[in-house]
Order: sequence, then C-alpha cells, then structure tokens
Amino acid sequence: DAKTTQPNSMESNEEEPVHLPCNHSTISGTDYIHWYRQLPSQGPEYVIHGLTSNVNNRMASLAIAEDRKSSTLILHRATLRDAAVYYCILRDFSGGSNYKLTFGKGTLLTVNP
Amino acid sequence: KAGVTQTPRYLIKTRGQQVTLSCSPISGHRSVSWYQQTPGQGLQFLFEYFSETQRNKGNFPGRFSGRQFSNSRSEMNVSTLELGDSALYLCASSLRGQGGEKLFFGSGTQLSVL
Repeated sequence: DAKTTQPNSMESNEEEPVHLPCNHSTISGTDYIHWYRQLPSQGPEYVIHGLTSNVNNRMASLAIAEDRKSSTLILHRATLRDAAVYYCILRDFSGGSNYKLTFGKGTLLTVNP
Repeated sequence: KAGVTQTPRYLIKTRGQQVTLSCSPISGHRSVSWYQQTPGQGLQFLFEYFSETQRNKGNFPGRFSGRQFSNSRSEMNVSTLELGDSALYLCASSLRGQGGEKLFFGSGTQLSVL
C-alpha cells in the first residue's frame, strides 16, 4: 500500500506563509491527495484535495509535484486558528473493492503570535 | 445541514466487555468509514460501509466489526475489550466513498478500557 511521510512538527509565525510537505513516493495513478487538519478533542476537518493539478480554495493551496511523488500544503497567511495537526492522506478514486485509505503520521503546526 | 454525529462521546469499559458505538452520517451520504486514533499509532482505518455492505477492511482483528443500516447509520462493535483498545474512535461520511470526495468526520467517541 502507498504510504505518506510528513515531518513530525513545524513552526510558523502569525501572518507568515506556511509550507507543509508530504512525500508519497509509492502513490498510484488512482490516488487522490487529501489534506485534513485536527484540533484537540475534535475530528479531522477537510482542508483541500487534488489529483494532478495544483488546487486553491479559501483555506489553502495544494501544490502537487509533476511526478506526484510529493505535495505541499500552503497556508498563505497563518493565523493562531491554524495551529493543528495536519494529515496528508491518499484516497483511491476507483472505489468499490479497491477502496484504500492511507494516513501519514501528521505534522503538528505551531503558530507563534 | 447537520454534521456527522457520534454517540456516546465518552465511554468507560472494563477488559473483556463489549461495546457498541454509533455514527449518524450527513443526510444523503451513503458511505461511512471508521477509524481508530491513538497517540502511538495515529489514525488507522478500520472499515468502510456503503449501502449496508462492508467494502473494505483495515488490519484489525475480528473483534472489531460493524454494520450499516438502510438509513446509512452505522454501528461499530468491539468484543472482548483489551486495554489496548483505548482510543478515540472516529467515523466519517461521504456521498459515495469515492477518492475525490471530501470526508466529513464526527467528533469521535473516546473509549477508555480499564
């Protein structure tokens, strides 16, 4: 099964950009790349996802390497509310009996005021 | 639209007992998946149900089982509880459980086994 690798922790200052990396060197052609974040005592919250092209939404941007073996979640201006554990997840889009879900260990993001 | 609801929020059991956790997905969502989260192992996939059928299962012993009802609500059961089963159990729902869909997670059930 494909695996993801993330740094254990990262630190940023408020209102500065943050780049959270994820390596997924054994990704398959049918895996979407998802990012979720989790605050203490809460379930994970969806951030963004993509397949091959870079993606933007109101929360963040996702930059996917051309070979898809790595991706970077970009928070353009970190706020204190962005402090959380960020998970990089692969989800197989073929569904059915091929459904797969692979989690990274997550990156704990600390945002300094 | 109501989010994913998990009950109970907290549960304390003793070794050897069994436990049933409940998950109500977002209305219209037919896929429900379950996860175990522990400080040491992180988030691990347990199983996924779609239209009352288990579509895939993670690497957990047979003591962990689940089911899904016709209204898409799902239950997870753990029999013969062990100390190592203490964890946060999360469920998530999506429309069809396909890779390009967002997952919506509940707040989880915190299970403590004494």
